[in-house]
Amino acid sequence: GAGVSQSPSNKVTEKGKDVELRCDPISGHTALYWYRQSLGQGLEFLIYFQGNSAPDKSGLPSDRFSAERTGGSVSTLTIQRTQQEDSAVYLCASSFRVIDEQYFGPGTRLTVT
Amino acid sequence: QKEVEQNSGPLSVPEGAIASLNCTYSDRGSQSFFWYRQYSGKSPELIMSIYSNGDKEDGRFTAQLNKASQYVSLLIRDSQPSDSATYLCAVNRSGSSNTGKLIFGQGTTLQVKP
Repeated sequence: GAGVSQSPSNKVTEKGKDVELRCDPISGHTALYWYRQSLGQGLEFLIYFQGNSAPDKSGLPSDRFSAERTGGSVSTLTIQRTQQEDSAVYLCASSFRVIDEQYFGPGTRLTVT
Repeated sequence: QKEVEQNSGPLSVPEGAIASLNCTYSDRGSQSFFWYRQYSGKSPELIMSIYSNGDKEDGRFTAQLNKASQYVSLLIRDSQPSDSATYLCAVNRSGSSNTGKLIFGQGTTLQVKP
């Protein structure tokens, strides 16, 4: 079946602009996760959704970052007033239940110039 | 102390040999353990999951878990050049505090030489 999809695959933006990253999880998966991978930091958790609720937002680095999920499916991660330190690969993953294996999408490479 | 620790490598093995990748974790509340493979420029791909002490085998891969020692390992038998990648260990708590948050190690780079 179809895996996790993310768009865009690459995004170059100017410092100070807002960006939206999209994730479409595997059909039927109730849990959705956002992670960020950068050279210096490895792979770090950002936020977790169960259905449309976000019980754990502990990894969001600042209030410039927000995310939502609608219809228990697609999720959007929004970064406002982007900074150069936001440059990274943003990865989305989904799982059937919160205790199950997580499957990653191809990621969005964000470059802030 | 990092929550999940791996030797960054590179670990170099000849083709056909057994590659042994190791990972230690600090939180005794951790109950779910995963190994991901990541090729350069690609996203992590799930290889193995393990939840109970002991060994779990899947093809050429064997995951080993020892909760008392807080240690999880991945063995790759008959290593192939196509196994050359970075291997990420990930750990998840279970129970009432579980949010599905995976804590990742920094990854071990494996090089399989023909």
